[in-house]
Amino acid sequence: QSALTQPASVSGSPGQSITISCTGTSSDVGIYDLVSWYQQLPGKAPKLMIYEGSKRPSGVSNRFSGSKSGNTASLTISGLQAEDEADYYCCSYASSSSYVVFGGGTKLTVL
Amino acid sequence: QLQLQESGPGLVKSSETLSLTCTVSGGSISSSTYYWGWIRQPPGKGLEWIGSIYYSGNTYYNPSLKSRVTMSVDTSKNQFSLKLSSVTAADTAVYHCARQGPGKAPDYWGQGTLVTVSS
Repeated sequence: QSALTQPASVSGSPGQSITISCTGTSSDVGIYDLVSWYQQLPGKAPKLMIYEGSKRPSGVSNRFSGSKSGNTASLTISGLQAEDEADYYCCSYASSSSYVVFGGGTKLTVL
Repeated sequence: QLQLQESGPGLVKSSETLSLTCTVSGGSISSSTYYWGWIRQPPGKGLEWIGSIYYSGNTYYNPSLKSRVTMSVDTSKNQFSLKLSSVTAADTAVYHCARQGPGKAPDYWGQGTLVTVSS
Protein backbone atom coordinates (compact mmCIF):
# COMPACT_ATOMS: atom_id res chain seq x y z
CA GLN A 1 0.00 0.00 0.00
CA SER A 2 1.59 3.29 -1.10
CA ALA A 3 0.49 6.74 -0.08
CA LEU A 4 -1.16 8.90 -2.70
CA THR A 5 1.12 11.62 -4.11
CA GLN A 6 0.38 15.27 -3.38
CA PRO A 7 2.55 18.36 -3.83
CA ALA A 8 4.14 19.38 -0.56
CA SER A 9 2.99 22.96 -0.88
CA VAL A 10 0.94 25.33 -3.00
CA SER A 11 0.29 29.03 -2.63
CA GLY A 12 -1.99 31.69 -4.00
CA SER A 13 -3.18 35.23 -3.43
CA PRO A 14 -6.60 36.15 -2.07
CA GLY A 15 -9.26 35.89 -4.77
CA GLN A 16 -7.25 33.55 -6.94
CA SER A 17 -7.94 29.87 -7.62
CA ILE A 18 -5.58 27.03 -6.76
CA THR A 19 -5.62 23.31 -7.53
CA ILE A 20 -4.12 20.52 -5.45
CA SER A 21 -3.44 17.24 -7.23
CA CYS A 22 -3.58 13.74 -5.78
CA THR A 23 -2.06 10.95 -7.86
CA GLY A 24 -2.74 7.31 -7.21
CA THR A 25 -3.01 4.15 -9.27
CA SER A 26 -5.56 2.13 -11.18
CA SER A 27 -6.22 0.22 -7.95
CA ASP A 28 -7.39 3.23 -5.97
CA VAL A 29 -7.97 6.73 -7.42
CA GLY A 30 -8.36 5.47 -10.97
CA ILE A 31 -10.86 2.72 -10.41
CA TYR A 32 -13.39 4.39 -8.14
CA ASP A 33 -15.02 7.80 -7.70
CA LEU A 34 -14.32 7.50 -3.98
CA VAL A 35 -11.73 10.18 -3.34
CA SER A 36 -12.29 12.47 -0.37
CA TRP A 37 -10.52 15.66 0.62
CA TYR A 38 -9.82 17.05 4.09
CA GLN A 39 -8.82 20.42 5.48
CA GLN A 40 -6.75 20.39 8.66
CA LEU A 41 -6.10 23.52 10.68
CA PRO A 42 -3.23 23.49 13.22
CA GLY A 43 -4.06 21.41 16.26
CA LYS A 44 -7.46 20.38 14.90
CA ALA A 45 -8.99 17.21 13.54
CA PRO A 46 -9.32 16.98 9.76
CA LYS A 47 -12.57 18.28 8.29
CA LEU A 48 -14.25 16.58 5.35
CA MET A 49 -14.50 18.99 2.41
CA ILE A 50 -15.23 16.69 -0.56
CA TYR A 51 -16.41 13.07 -0.73
CA GLU A 52 -17.09 10.63 -3.55
CA GLY A 53 -14.83 12.71 -5.77
CA SER A 54 -16.94 15.82 -6.15
CA LYS A 55 -19.69 15.97 -3.52
CA ARG A 56 -19.69 18.63 -0.81
CA PRO A 57 -21.01 17.93 2.69
CA SER A 58 -23.61 20.32 4.02
CA GLY A 59 -22.02 23.54 5.21
CA VAL A 60 -18.91 23.37 3.02
CA SER A 61 -18.47 26.40 0.78
CA ASN A 62 -19.09 25.93 -2.93
CA ARG A 63 -15.67 27.50 -3.48
CA PHE A 64 -14.35 23.98 -2.92
CA SER A 65 -14.73 21.51 -5.78
CA GLY A 66 -13.34 18.10 -6.66
CA SER A 67 -12.64 16.32 -9.93
CA LYS A 68 -10.73 13.40 -11.40
CA SER A 69 -8.91 12.47 -14.55
CA GLY A 70 -7.46 9.00 -14.86
CA ASN A 71 -5.43 8.19 -11.77
CA THR A 72 -5.27 11.81 -10.57
CA ALA A 73 -7.85 13.57 -8.44
CA SER A 74 -7.87 17.31 -7.88
CA LEU A 75 -9.19 19.76 -5.32
CA THR A 76 -9.83 23.29 -6.57
CA ILE A 77 -10.38 26.23 -4.27
CA SER A 78 -11.71 29.33 -5.97
CA GLY A 79 -11.88 32.85 -4.57
CA LEU A 80 -9.04 32.06 -2.16
CA GLN A 81 -9.45 33.47 1.33
CA ALA A 82 -7.01 33.84 4.21
CA GLU A 83 -9.05 31.33 6.24
CA ASP A 84 -8.33 28.65 3.62
CA GLU A 85 -4.70 28.49 4.74
CA ALA A 86 -4.34 24.94 6.06
CA ASP A 87 -3.06 21.47 5.30
CA TYR A 88 -5.11 19.48 2.78
CA TYR A 89 -5.18 15.70 2.46
CA CYS A 90 -6.71 13.43 -0.14
CA CYS A 91 -7.96 9.96 0.67
CA SER A 92 -9.10 7.08 -1.49
CA TYR A 93 -10.70 3.69 -1.13
CA ALA A 94 -8.50 0.98 -2.59
CA SER A 95 -9.71 -2.30 -3.98
CA SER A 96 -7.13 -4.61 -2.51
CA SER A 97 -8.14 -5.76 0.97
CA SER A 98 -10.72 -2.98 1.18
CA TYR A 99 -8.23 -0.55 2.60
CA VAL A 100 -8.02 3.22 2.76
CA VAL A 101 -5.00 5.26 1.67
CA PHE A 102 -4.16 8.92 2.33
CA GLY A 103 -2.03 11.38 0.45
CA GLY A 104 1.02 12.90 2.10
CA GLY A 105 -0.68 16.27 2.52
CA THR A 106 -0.31 19.71 0.93
CA LYS A 107 0.31 22.93 2.81
CA LEU A 108 -1.68 25.78 1.32
CA THR A 109 -0.31 29.26 1.92
CA VAL A 110 -2.44 32.31 1.19
CA LEU A 111 -0.03 35.09 0.31
CA GLN B 1 -24.93 15.67 16.35
CA LEU B 2 -22.59 12.69 16.17
CA GLN B 3 -19.57 12.91 18.46
CA LEU B 4 -16.59 10.61 18.90
CA GLN B 5 -14.21 10.71 21.85
CA GLU B 6 -10.94 8.83 22.20
CA SER B 7 -9.72 7.67 25.59
CA GLY B 8 -6.70 5.79 26.87
CA PRO B 9 -3.18 6.22 28.24
CA GLY B 10 -1.14 9.08 26.83
CA LEU B 11 2.14 7.35 27.58
CA VAL B 12 3.07 3.79 26.65
CA LYS B 13 6.41 2.07 27.15
CA SER B 14 8.33 0.71 24.21
CA SER B 15 7.52 -2.95 23.36
CA GLU B 16 4.20 -2.79 25.23
CA THR B 17 0.66 -2.59 23.87
CA LEU B 18 -1.15 0.64 23.10
CA SER B 19 -4.87 0.48 23.93
CA LEU B 20 -7.45 3.11 23.00
CA THR B 21 -11.23 3.26 23.09
CA CYS B 22 -13.56 5.44 21.06
CA THR B 23 -16.96 6.29 22.53
CA VAL B 24 -19.64 7.28 20.05
CA SER B 25 -22.53 9.54 21.09
CA GLY B 26 -25.40 11.03 19.14
CA GLY B 27 -25.69 7.99 16.89
CA SER B 28 -25.59 4.19 16.92
CA ILE B 29 -22.45 2.25 16.20
CA SER B 30 -24.74 -0.56 15.02
CA SER B 31 -25.79 1.33 11.90
CA SER B 32 -25.41 -0.85 8.82
CA THR B 33 -24.29 2.16 6.77
CA TYR B 34 -20.98 2.91 8.39
CA TYR B 35 -17.59 1.55 9.27
CA TRP B 36 -15.63 2.85 12.23
CA GLY B 37 -11.93 3.50 11.96
CA TRP B 38 -8.68 4.57 13.52
CA ILE B 39 -6.31 7.03 11.86
CA ARG B 40 -3.06 8.35 13.28
CA GLN B 41 -0.81 11.32 12.65
CA PRO B 42 2.80 11.42 13.90
CA PRO B 43 3.88 14.90 15.04
CA GLY B 44 4.47 17.12 12.02
CA LYS B 45 3.59 14.36 9.57
CA GLY B 46 0.66 13.14 7.51
CA LEU B 47 -2.36 10.95 8.15
CA GLU B 48 -2.15 7.16 8.20
CA TRP B 49 -5.15 4.83 8.17
CA ILE B 50 -4.76 2.06 10.77
CA GLY B 51 -7.90 0.02 10.26
CA SER B 52 -11.68 -0.15 10.16
CA ILE B 53 -14.32 -2.25 11.88
CA TYR B 54 -17.98 -2.94 11.13
CA TYR B 55 -20.58 -3.31 13.89
CA SER B 56 -20.66 -7.04 13.18
CA GLY B 57 -16.97 -7.28 14.01
CA ASN B 58 -15.57 -7.53 10.47
CA THR B 59 -12.20 -5.81 10.33
CA TYR B 60 -9.86 -4.38 7.70
CA TYR B 61 -6.32 -3.41 8.64
CA ASN B 62 -3.51 -1.43 7.03
CA PRO B 63 -1.20 -4.14 5.61
CA SER B 64 1.84 -2.40 7.07
CA LEU B 65 0.40 -2.63 10.61
CA LYS B 66 -1.73 -5.74 10.31
CA SER B 67 0.54 -8.02 12.34
CA ARG B 68 0.31 -5.70 15.37
CA VAL B 69 -3.27 -4.38 15.20
CA THR B 70 -6.44 -5.69 16.78
CA MET B 71 -9.74 -3.82 16.66
CA SER B 72 -12.94 -4.74 18.47
CA VAL B 73 -16.43 -3.34 18.90
CA ASP B 74 -18.82 -3.25 21.86
CA THR B 75 -22.27 -2.35 20.57
CA SER B 76 -23.80 -2.39 24.06
CA LYS B 77 -21.52 0.48 25.07
CA ASN B 78 -21.46 2.15 21.62
CA GLN B 79 -17.68 1.86 21.64
CA PHE B 80 -14.91 0.45 19.52
CA SER B 81 -11.31 -0.14 20.46
CA LEU B 82 -7.77 -0.35 19.13
CA LYS B 83 -4.85 -2.39 20.35
CA LEU B 84 -1.39 -1.94 18.83
CA SER B 85 1.25 -4.31 20.13
CA SER B 86 5.04 -4.11 20.34
CA VAL B 87 5.08 -0.32 20.04
CA THR B 88 8.19 1.71 19.28
CA ALA B 89 8.95 5.42 19.13
CA ALA B 90 7.67 5.38 15.53
CA ASP B 91 4.17 4.75 16.90
CA THR B 92 4.14 8.09 18.73
CA ALA B 93 1.26 9.98 17.16
CA VAL B 94 -2.11 11.64 17.60
CA TYR B 95 -4.65 8.85 17.27
CA HIS B 96 -8.08 9.75 15.87
CA CYS B 97 -11.18 7.62 15.74
CA ALA B 98 -13.64 8.32 12.96
CA ARG B 99 -16.89 7.25 11.34
CA GLN B 100 -16.41 6.10 7.77
CA GLY B 101 -19.17 6.64 5.24
CA PRO B 102 -19.35 5.93 1.48
CA GLY B 103 -16.10 4.48 0.19
CA LYS B 104 -14.93 4.35 3.79
CA ALA B 105 -14.27 8.11 3.72
CA PRO B 106 -13.96 9.34 7.30
CA ASP B 107 -16.66 11.97 7.78
CA TYR B 108 -16.88 12.50 11.54
CA TRP B 109 -13.66 12.58 13.54
CA GLY B 110 -12.77 12.54 17.20
CA GLN B 111 -10.52 15.38 18.38
CA GLY B 112 -7.62 12.95 18.69
CA THR B 113 -5.41 11.84 21.56
CA LEU B 114 -1.63 12.05 21.68
CA VAL B 115 0.07 8.79 22.54
CA THR B 116 3.78 8.97 23.28
CA VAL B 117 5.93 5.85 23.31
CA SER B 118 8.74 6.11 25.81
CA SER B 119 11.85 4.03 26.08
